[in-house]
Amino acid sequence: EVQLVESGGGLVQPGRSLRLSCEASGFTFDDYAMHWVRQAPGKGLEWVSGISWNSGSTVYADSVKGRFTISRDNAKNSLYLQMNSLRTEDTAFYYCAKDKAASGTYWFDPWGQGTLVTVSS
Amino acid sequence: NFMLTQPHSVSESPGKTVTISCTRAGGSIASNYVQWYQQRPGSAPTTVIYEDNQRPSGVPDRFSGSIDSSSNSASLTISGLKTEDEADYYCQSYDSTNQGIFGGGTKLTVL
Repeated sequence: EVQLVESGGGLVQPGRSLRLSCEASGFTFDDYAMHWVRQAPGKGLEWVSGISWNSGSTVYADSVKGRFTISRDNAKNSLYLQMNSLRTEDTAFYYCAKDKAASGTYWFDPWGQGTLVTVSS
Repeated sequence: NFMLTQPHSVSESPGKTVTISCTRAGGSIASNYVQWYQQRPGSAPTTVIYEDNQRPSGVPDRFSGSIDSSSNSASLTISGLKTEDEADYYCQSYDSTNQGIFGGGTKLTVL
């Protein structure tokens, strides 16, 4: 069974940093691209970032470009999101999601259960 | 980038059929595959339709997807509505710069 478990969320002040992790199991992690998608409380879904199977390609939403960095460690079956210069509008549940293919087809399935990031002073 | 526009909410009675639209503003709806996700309160999204009209295993055949180039839109149709179908539904695609794009979501009420 494919499982994705996010961790690292919490309360952080504006301007500070936070690193999210997503531990994958139940599939060959380095065969697939991975993504981060977020959802502000009570709002819709927003794609944040994606990374190809070998980290050769990374893509970001305009709203986080230059502040967030996606990475992966295939030896540890783990996906990461380094979030710097956090803003109040970054407050959201952050989900990691598996892609259908190695280079990214943008079909997100499945998703983890999410981790909540709250940016507030 | 382009936008995907969905109705904010739809409602229908059990046993009936409902269609949720997803209109692309900028570029052709047929240019990139469209996925549909169902999200129940407190849960992560799950796929009900992928690649415009494909249904993952385990999703009932009451769910179907289509695209219409004349209206530049994708549609999710749910027939034989059940109370368990009550959820938020999101369409999703991606643009030429490989950025993911989600519609704003549609709240389906089955009453």
